[in-house]
Amino acid sequence: GDSVTQTEGLVTLTEGLPVMLNCTYQTAYSTFLFWYVQHLNEAPKLLLKSSTDNKRTEHQGFHATLHKSSSSFHLQKSSAQLSDSALYYCALNTGNYKYVFGAGTRLKVIA
Amino acid sequence: EAAVTQSPRSKVAVTGGKVTLSCHQTNNHDYMYWYRQDTGHGLRLIHYSYVADSTEKGDIPDGYKASRPSQENFSLILELASLSQTAVYFCASSDRGDDEQYFGPGTRLTVL
Repeated sequence: GDSVTQTEGLVTLTEGLPVMLNCTYQTAYSTFLFWYVQHLNEAPKLLLKSSTDNKRTEHQGFHATLHKSSSSFHLQKSSAQLSDSALYYCALNTGNYKYVFGAGTRLKVIA
Repeated sequence: EAAVTQSPRSKVAVTGGKVTLSCHQTNNHDYMYWYRQDTGHGLRLIHYSYVADSTEKGDIPDGYKASRPSQENFSLILELASLSQTAVYFCASSDRGDDEQYFGPGTRLTVL
């Protein structure tokens, strides 16, 4: 079946360092990939989405590129800020109603 | 901006009791979803609906029922609450089945 893998449960970074959160997926169908961010005691909100192979998508300083050849959609940012501390979910949709979420990566940015 | 509300925001229930979680959206969206969130498991789909008066099972439907009496309202029902159902529950809506989901604020359910 469809699946999303986020290998890091917790990533701790010093402010100013680059961010990279990993996301790989498995599906036999066409793909829509999403990154959602959830700050403490808040609801998840969309950060990025893409369905176009090899096209960079950017929003709020974060970017990701969907690579269908490697089934990856890693989230990156050039310089981490304290306010980036949150839970990040990678999610997959195969063109119908159903979304599959990864287990999430908690990003903790320290001064 | 899209609006999804949930009630109650927090609930303590007893084992074996009945629990109803409610969700209301004013987005005019056809698709609505119920997820539970557990540390280490992320968001897992319980039930979803794409039209009023119809619901579908998600990935973990056992122990849960759903009801969609109108386009705006979607309820999650735990007929016999169990300890293992302690979690945070999120409702979400989307315009299409492949588009952005808008989440409600969540309901923290504790079963004792």
